[in-house]
Order: sequence, then C-alpha cells, then structure tokens
Amino acid sequence: GAVVSQHPSRVICKSGTSVKIECRSLDFQATTMFWYRQFPKQSLMLMATSNEGSKATYEQGVEKDKFLINHASLTLSTLTVTSAHPEDSSFYICLPPQLGNGYTFGSGTRLTVV
Amino acid sequence: GESVGLHLPTLSVQEGDNSIINCAYSNSASDYFIWYKQESGKGPQFIIDIRSNMDKRQGQRVTVLLNKTVKHLSLQIAATQPGDSAVYFCAENPNSGNTPLVFGKGTRLSVIA
Repeated sequence: GAVVSQHPSRVICKSGTSVKIECRSLDFQATTMFWYRQFPKQSLMLMATSNEGSKATYEQGVEKDKFLINHASLTLSTLTVTSAHPEDSSFYICLPPQLGNGYTFGSGTRLTVV
Repeated sequence: GESVGLHLPTLSVQEGDNSIINCAYSNSASDYFIWYKQESGKGPQFIIDIRSNMDKRQGQRVTVLLNKTVKHLSLQIAATQPGDSAVYFCAENPNSGNTPLVFGKGTRLSVIA
C-alpha cells in the first residue's frame, strides 16, 4: 500500500502559538490531501481538502483563517493551526486518496494546547 | 451525512469467540467501503475493504459483509484475541475516485481474556 509520513507525531504548545503539521506521500504523488480531526472517543471528521495548485476547500464550521492548509507539491501537504487554544487539542490526521486501494492514513499528530 | 460526534458504543467479547461489529452507512450511492482498526494513540489501520458489486469478502480471520438493500456493513472477526481490542470504524466512499471517506461513529471492541 501507499506510504504516508506525517509529523510531528506529538506536539505540546502554548496557547496562542502556531503549530505546523506535515504530511508527505513517499511513494506516490498526491494532488489532493484530506485532513481529518478526531476528538477523544469520537469519530474522524473531515476538516478540509488541500489541492495542489489551488485553494483548499473547508468543511462547514472549520475556520479557514485558523487552520491554514497548503499543498506545496505533489508530495507535501501542511496544516498549520494558528493561534492555538486548548479547544484545538485533538488528533489531526491526513489521508491521501488512493482511488480504492485501501486509503492509507498518515500516522497522525496528537496536538495538546496548554 | 455521517453519524459522528457521539460517544462510542462498546462490544465486549470473550477471547476465542467471534465478534460482529455493525455499521449503517448513509449514502446509497457509495460504492467502496473500508473497515479500520484504531488502537489507542494511533492512527486508523486498514483491515479490509469491499466494493459495492460484492456482498462478502474474506481476509485473514476477518470477513466483511455488505447489504446494500438496507445500507448495512458488518465486520466479523473470528476467534477474537486480546490484540483485537481497539476501536473499529467503517468508512464509505460516497463517490468513486478522488473523494474523502465518510466515517461511521465507531465501536470499541473489548476482549475479555
């Protein structure tokens, strides 16, 4: 299956700071990346979709100015949580589409804002 | 839409018994379905998938059943082991191709040794 690298795996930051999460597809090119968020004991919720060469699309209720998404190349997509607050503490995970071949997730990033 | 944001239901199973985890999906146009296993602190791990032109698919110790008539998906785990304890999510692809997966609410499987 596809190999997806996401880092950092875990980050603790102070309230008001920004955190960048990177997701790289290592053995294939991804023109699109789906970013999900998972709060404790809940399911995965789609936040936004990054698109190489164009603006990201955000799901309803997700603040585009707070969650900055950039698809810099065919192998790299980044999510930046700006001015993080404790309520942003969550598990963030990327998922490139693999057209029906298993949809392999990145390893996820556990963000804790203190 | 998807059913998310609720606390996870739990299934407790005796070690060695078979487990059946159920999922109702929302979109009758979905043509691809996946079951994921998620252990504490980790990302979802692919278990098995099935396309809408099939109603059953078997893997190693796992079987996925698809009933399109009632939009129901199930995951059967044979001879459940302690290592199977995790949260299991079903996911559907509402449209073929380059679209995000929609996840079910998840079920926590606890294996009693």
